[in-house]
Amino acid sequence: KNEVEQSPQNLTAQEGEFITINCSYSVGISALHWLQQHPGGGIVSLFMLSSGKKKHGRLIATINIQEKHSSLHITASHPRDSAVYICAVSRANDMRFGAGTRLTVKP
Amino acid sequence: GAGVSQSPRYKVAKRGQDVALRCDPISGHVSLFWYQQALGQGPEFLTYFQNEAQLDKSGLPSDRFFAERPEGSVSTLKIQRTQQEDSAVYLCASSRTGNQPQHFGDGTRLSIL
Repeated sequence: KNEVEQSPQNLTAQEGEFITINCSYSVGISALHWLQQHPGGGIVSLFMLSSGKKKHGRLIATINIQEKHSSLHITASHPRDSAVYICAVSRANDMRFGAGTRLTVKP
Repeated sequence: GAGVSQSPRYKVAKRGQDVALRCDPISGHVSLFWYQQALGQGPEFLTYFQNEAQLDKSGLPSDRFFAERPEGSVSTLKIQRTQQEDSAVYLCASSRTGNQPQHFGDGTRLSIL
């Protein structure tokens, strides 16, 4: 079993829809990260959080430490949001990654 | 430069050849990480440096993989006697410290024929 599980694996939405991507983890962590990866490989860090909730523009990330669960929400989705979203957890010296959620937002 | 720079961007090698992949982290970043990402998968941790010290190499898949960061800045990931299963994107990331957000390079796509 992977230490970091994401769902769904693939997600297709219409422009404007509210999107939720879920992440569960099974190990102790120092922080949880949400990353965005566009075709071609470039990875951008969206959020790093260890408790509560963070918001940046149309993106919201929440984490429940007790339940070892995090969600990434995208409000008013747009085709430019199409990418792979990766959940990762950091420990002392390393990061463990989920397999990613491929999001496609159609106009 | 403003971000993490990796070179080459693409590398094709014949099975059995040695390859060297370079990572230039953001200036002043203490922590440097190498990851391997197979097609359609999330990245997997390979190794971690704090300055020039390699503190964790538990993710290196075999003794054919070797990483160094001799002066605490540029790092090189070397793969000896490459095999087809080494084909992947190799990502480098750096951060100010181990618990700060990581900044990723664009990766090196390695193809072993």
